[in-house]
Formats: sequence, structure tokens, C-alpha cells
Amino acid sequence: DAGVIQSPRHEVTEMGQEVTLRCKPISGHNSLFWYRQTMMRGLELLIYFNNNVPIDDSGMPEDRFSAKMPNASFSTLKIQPSEPRDSAVYFCASSLSSTLAKNIQYFGAGTRLSVL
Amino acid sequence: KNQVEQSPQSLIILEGKNCTLQCNYTVSPFSNLRWYKQDTGRGPVSLTIMTFSENTKSNGRYTATLDADTKQSSLHITASQLSDSASYICVVTAGNDMRFGAGTRLTVKP
Repeated sequence: DAGVIQSPRHEVTEMGQEVTLRCKPISGHNSLFWYRQTMMRGLELLIYFNNNVPIDDSGMPEDRFSAKMPNASFSTLKIQPSEPRDSAVYFCASSLSSTLAKNIQYFGAGTRLSVL
Repeated sequence: KNQVEQSPQSLIILEGKNCTLQCNYTVSPFSNLRWYKQDTGRGPVSLTIMTFSENTKSNGRYTATLDADTKQSSLHITASQLSDSASYICVVTAGNDMRFGAGTRLTVKP
């Protein structure tokens, strides 16, 4: 298996533009997680899905952020409109277990977003 | 105040030496504690996961300990290698809530 695949690896956009980040989880995994990492705030959990259903989106910073998982093999994180403070590395991770219980999460390589 | 505190913030050691990283937490009710290794420009990689009943977990040269009474965990790296240079992140799960430490930046020098 190729692991968790994220695209694009880098994204540079201008303030106000819509940004869509994509993630393909490991085949057979039931849970998918979106994280954001910055120097100031470290790693933060934004939202996670179990069996394609959003379970907890309390980490989503504001209404400009939305995430979808239309099927078991694909998820998107959208920012509309983007702002400079959204600049960060966004990670997607997947795991076999359907809860935050003892399970290994496998991370993608991340998307580095720069909003100018 | 962060509910997961890691120390030291950064650490430099010589290749072949041992080191210990600390993680103290106040998160409750405790579910599990994870240690991740994150190389520069890469996603975190899971090293260990421990539940309340586990007090030691090893993964090669990495050994994690957990004292649920004092709410402390440590990650011990034995015979360090240059490839151990990375950030090490402690994550504590309480129910459906995950709390992240700021990480320890480890540099191993030849």
C-alpha cells in the first residue's frame, strides 16, 4: 500500500481564494483525520470521520473551513475564503479503528499551504 | 496552559548517547498516550501507544514509560543515531478529545 496520499504537496494562493486539499486514506481504514500544524500552535486536530461520517469537528477553526468524505477512499478539506493566518501544514491521517481508542494513525506527507 | 507539557523544548546529544524526553499531562479522563516521531518535512510516525494499564512499551531503541498516577510519561532513546534527529510529540487522548504537546526537538550530532 502506498500509505496516505495527500495532494497537492504545496499550495500557494492569494487571500480570499478558495483552497481545496485532498486526501486518499489507506485502503480498508475506517477512520480519517485532518490536522493542522504551525510553529505557534503545534499540531491540532481539526476533524475526524468514522466510516465516512464526521464525528467531531470541534477543532475546525471557523465556518470558512469545511471537510467532506464522499466515500471511503477520498476526503477534502476546503477553506473559503482563505486568509494569511491559514498558512500551515495540513496533515491527513487514517486508522483501522473507528474510535480514538488505541489505534495507530498513519499520516500523509502533508500539504504546505501559504496564503499571501 | 497547555494540558500536555513536554520537556525539554530542544536537546542536542552526541551519536551513541542515550536520552530521555518528558511528557506531563493534566488531561482527564485518560484514554491513551502516544509518542510520535516527526522528521523535518514529513508527517508524524507513531512510536508507541499506551493505555492506563500499561507502564512500559518498547519499539526498538525507543522505550516509553507511563505513570498514570503522577500523569507523567517519558520516552527513552538508547544508543542514539543520526537518524533520530527529529521532533518527538506526545499526544494524550481523553475520550473523544486529543491534546498535543508542543514537541521536543532532538538533534543528534556525530
